[in-house]
Amino acid sequence: DIQMTQSPSSLSASVGDRVTITCRASQSISSYLNWYQQKPGKAPKLLIYAASSLESGVPSRFSGSGSGTDFTLTISSLQPEDFATYYCQQSYSTPPIRFTFGPGTKVDIK
Amino acid sequence: EVQLVESGGVVVQPGGSLRLSCAASGFTFDDDTMHWVRQAPGKGLEWVSLINWDGSSTYYADSVKGRFTISRDNSKNSLYLQMNSLRSEDTALYYCAKDNGYCSSSSCYSTFDHWGQGTLVTVSS
Repeated sequence: DIQMTQSPSSLSASVGDRVTITCRASQSISSYLNWYQQKPGKAPKLLIYAASSLESGVPSRFSGSGSGTDFTLTISSLQPEDFATYYCQQSYSTPPIRFTFGPGTKVDIK
Repeated sequence: EVQLVESGGVVVQPGGSLRLSCAASGFTFDDDTMHWVRQAPGKGLEWVSLINWDGSSTYYADSVKGRFTISRDNSKNSLYLQMNSLRSEDTALYYCAKDNGYCSSSSCYSTFDHWGQGTLVTVSS
């Protein structure tokens, strides 16, 4: 099975900061990588699909990059509504079909 | 507008059974693969199971295989999760999620583009 790791596990940042979160896959997943945002008490929300494509309605301050095993989510200028937990997810599987999320990165206010 | 509304979560004893439901609206339900994803209290997201558009293909996480069964009724725009032999480690918020990818017999490409608000399952004596 493909394992996903994220770093850091948490970070503290200020409004206006540039924030970068890293996701690593245990084997190459090409560009089959999605990013989700989850706020407390809410369901996850799709932000980025196929490593770098912005989901409709998501602010352009969010961007994704990477391929193979190493990926990044960048928030160019952190806004108050961006304080949340972010998860990566490998999005392609062959039998045995499994989908794996990273452990999450919590972004909170410095 | 896509809506997914889960129901059926309750407190159940270890070894018990439970059936979760997810009512879908706002999209062509029988076009899409559907998933269950769970989140234990204070923990991360764990994929549980998927079912393709017509129910002919189903897949499960190792942690639930042999105990949980996913199904769907396209005539009712509904997704289900039958949960048997429940354990304390199954305690979680269970989300249904719509997939905008595809699944064939040889591969699945899955992106969870819409999620319900979840239903809480607590396994405790």
